[in-house]
Amino acid sequence: GENVEQHPSTLSVQEGDSAVIKCTYSDSASNYFPWYKQELGKRPQLIIDIRSNVGEKKDQRIAVTLNKTAKHFSLHITETQPEDSAVYFCAASMGQGAQKLVFGQGTRLTINP
Amino acid sequence: NAGVTQTPKFRVLKTGQSMTLLCAQDMNHEYMYWYRQDPGMGLRLIHYSVGEGTTAKGEVPDGYNVSRLKKQNFLLGLESAAPSQTSVYFCASSLSEALQPVGVYNEQFFGPGTRLTVL
Repeated sequence: GENVEQHPSTLSVQEGDSAVIKCTYSDSASNYFPWYKQELGKRPQLIIDIRSNVGEKKDQRIAVTLNKTAKHFSLHITETQPEDSAVYFCAASMGQGAQKLVFGQGTRLTINP
Repeated sequence: NAGVTQTPKFRVLKTGQSMTLLCAQDMNHEYMYWYRQDPGMGLRLIHYSVGEGTTAKGEVPDGYNVSRLKKQNFLLGLESAAPSQTSVYFCASSLSEALQPVGVYNEQFFGPGTRLTVL
């Protein structure tokens, strides 16, 4: 079955700097890769996603890149702000039907003022 | 709209006790999911449902049962709780991918979570 590895597990950056979180997946059939943000004590919320026929997608300060050949995808946050501090999860689609997802282990991002 | 709601928010059980977690959504979503979240392990799919009256196993189904008698509700049951089931449980729902181009997925919306402790 699908396996998703996420690195790093913790990341600390200065406010205004960029942050990059990387994920690898094992199932070459995966074709959908969302990223979720989870603030302390809150529910996960989708921040950006990418499909397998696209190499990069941007939404303001957030971008995701996908390399299907290497089976890895990354989240890039530019001009980081204190409110970006949270746990970020990557995920990859699993199997056929029902839009099932396999999640990475999470990255705790801390933005230092 | 309330979105996805879960009850209860917190619960403490003793080993061997049973309980049911309720998930409700008012978005008319076809698909519903139960996940557990443990430190350092992300979210893992327990069971899911693609419609009323249907359920299927996810990655970690052992020790849990589910039912979807109504489209808007998805119940997760623990028949005999074990300390290994101490976790935060999240329910999620999404629209079906029917009528979408291949590879287009719909967002999963999560509930607020239930923190379960089994002593």
